[in-house]
Amino acid sequence: AQKVTQAQTEISVVEKEDVTLDCVYETRDTTYYLFWYKQPPSGELVFLIRRNSFDEQNEISGRYSWNFQKSTSSFNFTITASQVVDSAVYFCALGSNAGNMLTFGGGTRLMVKP
Amino acid sequence: GAGVSQSPSNKVTEKGKDVELRCDPISGHTALYWYRQSLGQGLEFLIYFQGNSAPDKSGLPSDRFSAERTGGSVSTLTIQRTQQEDSAVYLCASSIQGWTGELFFGEGSRLTVL
Repeated sequence: AQKVTQAQTEISVVEKEDVTLDCVYETRDTTYYLFWYKQPPSGELVFLIRRNSFDEQNEISGRYSWNFQKSTSSFNFTITASQVVDSAVYFCALGSNAGNMLTFGGGTRLMVKP
Repeated sequence: GAGVSQSPSNKVTEKGKDVELRCDPISGHTALYWYRQSLGQGLEFLIYFQGNSAPDKSGLPSDRFSAERTGGSVSTLTIQRTQQEDSAVYLCASSIQGWTGELFFGEGSRLTVL
């Protein structure tokens, strides 16, 4: 069975602070993909990143960075110098050959205050 | 538009009534998903269509739920004899690559069962 855990249900920071959103996953498959999606107040989920299980290189995209560690089954997401526009619910998701769908975590609501 | 379109955006119905929710995916996307998001919760997989293959219905919570996809494009999710616990946002997503690729989500259909 697949499982994604986002232990932080809600985080509140002040603008310009750095913030890390945690994601821990479980799967028996050796080939899998990990994703992060952002759901702003408007409601439409937006894709942020995809990583496959064979690529543990960390990735940076502007103020966003991702730390994938197979040893701890984690795929954490850091926002540097947060902005009010980063306020949203962020979902981590896992896909593998065990099923046809993505398994989503419960989401982390990030509130960035000015 | 070029995105995933869902209708209605909001639906209020009485317990016991049937409802139909529609999803128009991005043209050319062969994979189509339905997810359900209850208030403050993560995304729950319902059903997956891929091309002409038999759909993966493993996530449908009961036999009151059904879905079809006509001509490999538009999909309709039908809930019969609605119950209050069916109240949620129903999200549709489409993809070129199935679960391994980026999912493009619609804005969802918010269903309220009184």
